[in-house]
Amino acid sequence: KAGVTQTPRYLIKTRGQQVTLSCSPISGHRSVSWYQQTPGQGLQFLFEYFSETQRNKGNFPGRFSGRQFSNSRSEMNVSTLELGDSALYLCASSFWTGTGGLYEQYFGPGTRLTVT
Amino acid sequence: AQTVTQSQPEMSVQEAETVTLSCTYDTSESDYYLFWYKQPPSRQMILVIRQEAYKQQNATENRFSVNFQKAAKSFSLKISDSQLGDAAMYFCAYRDANTGNQFYFGTGTSLTVIP
Repeated sequence: KAGVTQTPRYLIKTRGQQVTLSCSPISGHRSVSWYQQTPGQGLQFLFEYFSETQRNKGNFPGRFSGRQFSNSRSEMNVSTLELGDSALYLCASSFWTGTGGLYEQYFGPGTRLTVT
Repeated sequence: AQTVTQSQPEMSVQEAETVTLSCTYDTSESDYYLFWYKQPPSRQMILVIRQEAYKQQNATENRFSVNFQKAAKSFSLKISDSQLGDAAMYFCAYRDANTGNQFYFGTGTSLTVIP
Protein backbone atom coordinates (compact mmCIF):
# COMPACT_ATOMS: atom_id res chain seq x y z
CA LYS A 1 0.00 0.00 0.00
CA ALA A 2 1.15 3.51 -0.70
CA GLY A 3 1.86 5.60 2.37
CA VAL A 4 0.42 8.92 3.43
CA THR A 5 1.28 11.61 0.91
CA GLN A 6 1.37 15.33 1.50
CA THR A 7 1.65 18.11 -1.03
CA PRO A 8 3.44 20.34 -1.41
CA ARG A 9 6.50 19.29 0.56
CA TYR A 10 7.86 22.82 0.85
CA LEU A 11 6.13 26.16 0.72
CA ILE A 12 7.17 29.76 1.21
CA LYS A 13 4.48 32.34 1.80
CA THR A 14 4.31 35.97 2.86
CA ARG A 15 2.64 37.27 5.97
CA GLY A 16 -1.05 37.93 5.37
CA GLN A 17 -1.41 35.37 2.60
CA GLN A 18 -3.36 32.16 2.88
CA VAL A 19 -2.22 28.61 2.18
CA THR A 20 -3.82 25.24 1.50
CA LEU A 21 -2.06 21.98 2.27
CA SER A 22 -3.19 18.61 1.02
CA CYS A 23 -3.04 15.13 2.49
CA SER A 24 -3.91 11.82 0.85
CA PRO A 25 -4.33 9.06 3.43
CA ILE A 26 -3.55 5.41 3.03
CA SER A 27 -6.24 3.65 1.06
CA GLY A 28 -9.04 2.51 3.36
CA HIS A 29 -8.17 4.89 6.18
CA ARG A 30 -11.10 7.13 7.10
CA SER A 31 -9.49 9.20 9.83
CA VAL A 32 -7.10 12.02 9.00
CA SER A 33 -5.43 14.16 11.63
CA TRP A 34 -3.28 17.27 11.28
CA TYR A 35 -0.43 18.36 13.54
CA GLN A 36 1.79 21.41 13.69
CA GLN A 37 5.39 20.69 14.62
CA THR A 38 7.72 23.44 15.79
CA PRO A 39 11.06 23.16 17.63
CA GLY A 40 9.77 24.86 20.75
CA GLN A 41 6.27 23.39 20.99
CA GLY A 42 6.77 19.92 19.60
CA LEU A 43 3.73 18.39 17.92
CA GLN A 44 0.44 20.05 18.54
CA PHE A 45 -2.87 18.61 17.42
CA LEU A 46 -4.84 20.77 15.02
CA PHE A 47 -7.88 18.67 14.13
CA GLU A 48 -9.13 15.27 13.09
CA TYR A 49 -11.56 14.40 10.35
CA PHE A 50 -13.48 11.17 10.10
CA SER A 51 -15.85 10.42 7.23
CA GLU A 52 -15.89 14.07 6.16
CA THR A 53 -16.77 15.34 9.65
CA GLN A 54 -14.49 17.13 12.08
CA ARG A 55 -14.38 14.86 15.10
CA ASN A 56 -11.79 16.58 17.27
CA LYS A 57 -10.23 20.01 17.34
CA GLY A 58 -7.17 21.34 19.10
CA ASN A 59 -6.57 24.81 20.55
CA PHE A 60 -5.76 26.76 17.43
CA PRO A 61 -7.34 30.00 16.22
CA GLY A 62 -10.07 30.01 13.61
CA ARG A 63 -7.52 30.93 10.94
CA PHE A 64 -6.74 27.22 10.84
CA SER A 65 -9.42 25.19 9.15
CA GLY A 66 -9.73 21.91 7.37
CA ARG A 67 -12.00 19.64 5.47
CA GLN A 68 -12.19 16.09 4.26
CA PHE A 69 -13.56 14.83 0.99
CA SER A 70 -15.56 11.71 0.25
CA ASN A 71 -12.40 9.90 -0.84
CA SER A 72 -10.87 10.69 2.60
CA ARG A 73 -8.37 13.14 1.18
CA SER A 74 -8.02 16.13 3.44
CA GLU A 75 -6.97 19.72 3.12
CA MET A 76 -6.04 22.24 5.74
CA ASN A 77 -6.15 25.96 5.19
CA VAL A 78 -4.41 28.73 7.07
CA SER A 79 -5.64 32.23 6.38
CA THR A 80 -3.90 35.52 7.16
CA LEU A 81 -0.55 33.88 7.72
CA GLU A 82 1.65 35.01 10.59
CA LEU A 83 5.38 34.52 11.09
CA GLY A 84 4.60 32.12 13.94
CA ASP A 85 2.80 29.79 11.55
CA SER A 86 6.15 28.70 10.14
CA ALA A 87 6.30 25.01 10.97
CA LEU A 88 6.25 21.47 9.71
CA TYR A 89 2.65 20.40 9.20
CA LEU A 90 2.15 16.68 9.56
CA CYS A 91 -0.81 14.69 8.41
CA ALA A 92 -1.62 11.28 9.84
CA SER A 93 -4.10 8.74 8.60
CA SER A 94 -5.58 6.10 10.85
CA PHE A 95 -7.72 3.01 10.78
CA TRP A 96 -9.56 1.30 13.59
CA THR A 97 -7.87 -1.93 14.62
CA GLY A 98 -11.11 -3.49 15.86
CA THR A 99 -9.77 -3.64 19.40
CA GLY A 100 -11.46 -1.24 21.79
CA GLY A 101 -10.69 2.36 20.87
CA LEU A 102 -7.35 1.62 19.29
CA TYR A 103 -6.42 3.19 16.00
CA GLU A 104 -3.19 2.61 14.10
CA GLN A 105 -1.81 5.96 12.99
CA TYR A 106 0.58 6.53 10.11
CA PHE A 107 2.25 9.84 9.42
CA GLY A 108 3.08 11.55 6.17
CA PRO A 109 6.42 13.25 5.46
CA GLY A 110 5.02 16.69 6.23
CA THR A 111 4.81 20.06 4.52
CA ARG A 112 7.44 22.58 5.55
CA LEU A 113 5.78 26.01 5.59
CA THR A 114 7.92 29.11 5.88
CA VAL A 115 6.22 32.46 6.36
CA THR A 116 8.31 35.54 5.59
CA ALA B 1 -6.21 18.59 29.51
CA GLN B 2 -3.82 15.72 29.15
CA THR B 3 -0.15 16.59 29.13
CA VAL B 4 2.91 14.60 28.19
CA THR B 5 6.35 15.52 29.50
CA GLN B 6 9.71 14.41 28.22
CA SER B 7 12.34 15.86 30.53
CA GLN B 8 15.38 14.83 28.48
CA PRO B 9 15.75 17.06 25.41
CA GLU B 10 18.90 15.20 24.34
CA MET B 11 20.41 11.83 25.09
CA SER B 12 23.39 9.94 23.75
CA VAL B 13 24.36 6.28 23.82
CA GLN B 14 27.30 4.24 22.65
CA GLU B 15 26.57 1.79 19.89
CA ALA B 16 25.54 -1.63 21.29
CA GLU B 17 24.73 -0.13 24.68
CA THR B 18 21.34 0.39 26.31
CA VAL B 19 19.56 3.69 26.78
CA THR B 20 16.32 4.65 28.51
CA LEU B 21 14.18 7.59 27.50
CA SER B 22 11.77 9.00 30.06
CA CYS B 23 8.18 10.11 29.71
CA THR B 24 5.53 11.12 32.20
CA TYR B 25 1.94 12.04 31.52
CA ASP B 26 -0.99 13.49 33.33
CA THR B 27 -4.56 12.30 32.87
CA SER B 28 -7.68 11.63 34.87
CA GLU B 29 -8.75 8.89 32.48
CA SER B 30 -8.35 5.21 33.29
CA ASP B 31 -8.50 3.85 29.75
CA TYR B 32 -5.91 5.15 27.34
CA TYR B 33 -3.02 4.26 25.08
CA LEU B 34 0.60 5.29 25.16
CA PHE B 35 3.01 5.34 22.26
CA TRP B 36 6.60 5.97 21.37
CA TYR B 37 7.22 7.41 17.92
CA LYS B 38 10.56 7.81 16.18
CA GLN B 39 11.28 10.65 13.78
CA PRO B 40 14.56 10.17 11.88
CA PRO B 41 16.20 13.12 10.16
CA SER B 42 14.16 12.35 7.02
CA ARG B 43 11.12 13.50 9.05
CA GLN B 44 8.78 10.54 8.54
CA MET B 45 7.31 9.68 11.93
CA ILE B 46 7.28 5.95 12.67
CA LEU B 47 5.52 4.05 15.44
CA VAL B 48 8.03 2.25 17.65
CA ILE B 49 5.88 0.69 20.33
CA ARG B 50 2.44 0.92 21.88
CA GLN B 51 1.05 0.17 25.35
CA GLU B 52 -2.59 -0.26 26.32
CA ALA B 53 -3.24 1.13 29.80
CA TYR B 54 -5.39 -1.83 30.80
CA LYS B 55 -2.52 -4.23 30.21
CA GLN B 56 -0.14 -4.73 33.11
CA GLN B 57 2.47 -6.44 30.99
CA ASN B 58 5.04 -4.13 29.47
CA ALA B 59 5.11 -4.05 25.68
CA THR B 60 8.16 -5.29 23.82
CA GLU B 61 9.14 -5.00 20.16
CA ASN B 62 12.49 -6.61 19.41
CA ARG B 63 15.15 -4.31 20.94
CA PHE B 64 12.56 -1.84 22.19
CA SER B 65 10.68 -2.25 25.45
CA VAL B 66 8.76 -0.02 27.79
CA ASN B 67 8.46 0.32 31.54
CA PHE B 68 4.85 1.31 32.14
CA GLN B 69 4.07 2.45 35.66
CA LYS B 70 0.39 3.38 35.65
CA ALA B 71 0.16 4.64 39.21
CA ALA B 72 3.20 6.87 38.70
CA LYS B 73 2.00 7.87 35.22
CA SER B 74 5.37 6.99 33.82
CA PHE B 75 6.16 5.41 30.45
CA SER B 76 9.84 5.00 29.64
CA LEU B 77 11.37 3.48 26.52
CA LYS B 78 14.39 1.21 26.70
CA ILE B 79 16.47 0.64 23.60
CA SER B 80 18.83 -2.32 23.89
CA ASP B 81 21.86 -3.00 21.70
CA SER B 82 21.65 0.51 20.22
CA GLN B 83 22.36 0.84 16.53
CA LEU B 84 23.37 3.83 14.42
CA GLY B 85 19.95 3.72 12.79
CA ASP B 86 18.31 4.39 16.13
CA ALA B 87 19.53 7.98 16.01
CA ALA B 88 16.39 10.10 15.80
CA MET B 89 13.98 12.27 17.70
CA TYR B 90 11.74 10.17 19.93
CA PHE B 91 8.29 11.34 20.91
CA CYS B 92 6.11 9.97 23.65
CA ALA B 93 2.39 10.23 22.92
CA TYR B 94 -0.88 9.70 24.75
CA ARG B 95 -4.38 9.05 23.49
CA ASP B 96 -7.65 8.62 25.36
CA ALA B 97 -9.41 5.39 24.49
CA ASN B 98 -12.83 6.96 24.12
CA THR B 99 -12.45 10.45 22.65
CA GLY B 100 -11.63 9.95 19.01
CA ASN B 101 -8.20 10.05 17.55
CA GLN B 102 -6.54 13.01 19.28
CA PHE B 103 -2.95 12.40 20.31
CA TYR B 104 -0.98 14.44 22.82
CA PHE B 105 2.75 14.48 22.24
CA GLY B 106 5.73 15.31 24.40
CA THR B 107 8.37 17.74 23.14
CA GLY B 108 10.70 14.93 22.15
CA THR B 109 14.12 13.55 23.02
CA SER B 110 16.90 13.73 20.48
CA LEU B 111 18.92 10.53 20.62
CA THR B 112 22.49 10.41 19.32
CA VAL B 113 24.20 7.06 18.82
CA ILE B 114 27.97 7.22 19.12
CA PRO B 115 29.94 4.71 17.01
